[in-house]
Amino acid sequence: EPEVTQTPSHQVTQMGQEVILRCVPISNHLYFYWYRQILGQKVEFLVSFYNNEISEKSEIFDDQFSVERPDGSNFTLKIRSTKLEDSAMYFCASGTGFGGYTFGSGTRLTVV
Amino acid sequence: KQEVTQIPAALSVPEGENLVLNCSFTDSAIYNLQWFRQDPGKGLTSLLLIQSSQREQTSGRLNASLDKSSGRSTLYIAASQPGDSATYLCAVRTRGGTGNQFYFGTGTSLTVIP
Repeated sequence: EPEVTQTPSHQVTQMGQEVILRCVPISNHLYFYWYRQILGQKVEFLVSFYNNEISEKSEIFDDQFSVERPDGSNFTLKIRSTKLEDSAMYFCASGTGFGGYTFGSGTRLTVV
Repeated sequence: KQEVTQIPAALSVPEGENLVLNCSFTDSAIYNLQWFRQDPGKGLTSLLLIQSSQREQTSGRLNASLDKSSGRSTLYIAASQPGDSATYLCAVRTRGGTGNQFYFGTGTSLTVIP
């Protein structure tokens, strides 16, 4: 079964550093998403991406965050200057439209 | 804004028991509802997807129902096994706005005791 692949599985970074989280969505999917889950809390929507542009973003997705699809297969989330409160599990997902999503296994980001 | 609630927050049952997990949502204008399983520290595994026009979906020992008008869904697990122990998340995709995002509940943590 096709999978969404995320790398790395765990990243530790110092506060103020930039991080890039990487995702390879399912190849025939056109809609891409990032969600995050702070430990013990709900999974929260960050951003959706379609046709090479952001289609929707939440209030969490401020100027510190950016997304990019640099080539035909990768989808990245960049956090420019990490804060302690950015520590969370970040999930990438992809879908074909208004059906279900397929989620990746996540990247655990720890900011120290 | 869509609010999704899951009851109970935690559930512990002996192996072999049938059980029901509940999910309620405040805005009935939805595209679909998806149930996920999450093992500790792991990703989200899709279990069942119910489109807004459907009443239920089944996969093996799992059956999910949807009552859109009352804003409720249930996940029925038959003959529970220790391997079913995990957190079960309900997520709803709403028609408002661009309809892009899922709203998640806080989950039900299930423990099946051998």
